[in-house]
Parts: sequence; C-alpha cells; structure tokens
Amino acid sequence: ETGVTQTPRHLVMGMTNKKSLKCEQHLGHNAMYWYKQSAKKPLELMFVYSLEERVENNSVPSRFSPECPNSSHLFLHLHTLQPEDSALYLCASSPPGHPYEQYFGPGTRLTVT
Amino acid sequence: SQQGEEDPQALSIQEGENATMNCSYKTSINNLQWYRQNSGRGLVHLILIRSNEREKHSGRLRVTLDTSKKSSSLLITASRAADTASYFCASNFGNEKLTFGTGTRLTIIP
Repeated sequence: ETGVTQTPRHLVMGMTNKKSLKCEQHLGHNAMYWYKQSAKKPLELMFVYSLEERVENNSVPSRFSPECPNSSHLFLHLHTLQPEDSALYLCASSPPGHPYEQYFGPGTRLTVT
Repeated sequence: SQQGEEDPQALSIQEGENATMNCSYKTSINNLQWYRQNSGRGLVHLILIRSNEREKHSGRLRVTLDTSKKSSSLLITASRAADTASYFCASNFGNEKLTFGTGTRLTIIP
C-alpha cells in the first residue's frame, strides 16, 4: 500500500452519465495529480494541484472536471464521456519540495459504453 | 520532449534468471526513477537515481545511469514469479513534471 487510495476501483458508465472519481492521501503531501493510462501509451498527466490550487491542466477536455477541496482529497468529475475515454485513471501525490517523488493510488478502471 | 523509452517492450525469462530493462531519454534530467505496475493497478516506486549518481542498489534491484548516453538500466537479479509486471522509467528536470515511458512488460516463467 502506498498510502494513496482511490474509489471506485472499477466504473462502467454510459456516455450520458455523470460520475466522480475520488482520491485520498494521508501522507502529508501537498500536491496531487490525475493521470490517464491508456493501452500502449505513456502515462498522460491530466491535472496537477499544489496546495489545493490547480497549477497545470494539460489541455484536457472540459468533460473532465477536477476538484481539490483540501490537500488530502482530489476528485475527478466526469460527464458526457466518450468511449475513447475508457482507461485506467491514476491519482498520485507528492511531498512538499519533491514533486517528482510521486506515490500512486491503485487506479480506477473506467469503461465508457 | 524527454519522454523515456523502455527497451525491450516485452521480456519473458525463466524464474531465477536475471532481467535487464533499458530506458532512454532525450534531454537533461535531475532524477530518473523506476516504477513497477502489476496488471491493472497503480504504480509502485522502486528506486530513484540522481543525475550525479552512476549506480544504485536496492535489494535485488540494481539501477545504472549513463548521462552521456542518456540511458538507464534496471537489473532484477534472481527473478521470482512475483516480479511479473510492467516496469516504467520516469525522469524529470528541476521541478518539471515527471515524464514516463511506455514500459517493459516482464513475464517470469515458473
């Protein structure tokens, strides 16, 4: 266990549904990340939050909406997704001053039908 | 882009043998890390090597870094069935984001 948890672990949703992914860490980290992992592609960084403020958004479609209410929790709100959004969504966190030392959660396997 | 590229993409060896995976990157780095990912799960941090280090050990893992060739290798000695997983390298420069490669899929045959 890395100390980063994600729920749900598996999610199947239709293109018109709205759902949310949750990530939680109690490691005292101050930065949190959302990544998308698709088959045979490198991990794609989606969002970065540092001290609860979004510092990076890598041109992610607006159908993905992140929320970081505090330094321990991170959400990814999903709506009107497309089948190509099916992937493993990984959350990570990093300690103060060390953004490259990232601890990953187990991921949410998302299938869009 | 300093995207890492792992080589080979897939590797199958007998249990007990050593496994070697390589990673190349394109630009200067401060750190390079190796992660393991079991099927459909999150990444687990294995080892970090800094740009001023040439070799690092952790248990059965040995990582080397050659900054002149912009490459790193991960050696797993005396492999076990539980080592079956995908292995990724990730590099960063300064406080820039981590850049991951596409991974090597390692299969240990009992």
